Amino acid sequence: NAGVTQTPKFQVLKTGQSMTLQCAQDMNHEYMSWYRQDPGMGLRLIHYSVGAGITDQGEVPNGYNVSRSTTEDFPLRLLSAAPSQTSVYFCASSYSADIYEQYFGPGTRLTVT
Amino acid sequence: AQSVTQPDIHITVSEGASLELRCNYSYGATPYLFWYVQSPGQGLQLLLKYFSGDTLVQGIKGFEAEFKRSQSSFNLRKPSVHWSDAAEYFCAVGGGGGADGLTFGKGTHLIIQP
Repeated sequence: NAGVTQTPKFQVLKTGQSMTLQCAQDMNHEYMSWYRQDPGMGLRLIHYSVGAGITDQGEVPNGYNVSRSTTEDFPLRLLSAAPSQTSVYFCASSYSADIYEQYFGPGTRLTVT
Repeated sequence: AQSVTQPDIHITVSEGASLELRCNYSYGATPYLFWYVQSPGQGLQLLLKYFSGDTLVQGIKGFEAEFKRSQSSFNLRKPSVHWSDAAEYFCAVGGGGGADGLTFGKGTHLIIQP
């Protein structure tokens, strides 16, 4: 099993550009989520999904969109990048939405200039 | 709303010494509690978890944690640290699923002195 994979590892965007951060898992997990990590802030939940076709907002959803067309994939879209979105983004998955332990991907470091 | 407090931003410990990282949580019901470790430039790795039962839980890499309901705490301990333990440690609480997700503390940066 590859576990949770994320691409790209690094990305630099200009303000106003759009992009998609990819996340995939091969563990047949129902629950997937996106977090952002900022210095001194820990991790904060952006969006989550409890299964294919079902997504919802977390703590800091503004500026981000998600979709879940398959169990395996959960991409995160930045519609119009802003410097405030400079962060490290982690995708995570767990067996179900009942918050068993979550498995994290290696992260994507995004810089918006 | 659930919350987690890690009071120590940085901790410095000599190699071979014992370690305790503090974590206090706020949650309305019985929480699920976790400790994760993050090495520089890496993702998060689960060290241990508490769901129910025995309040002293054992994890990987020689770590253990004790759940104390009366103190709303879930402190992480290790009897003898190794230089490879230098990392960022995060305590997290969850249990409601959905929009609550996991709520993380801000982390404790562990420095190991030779």
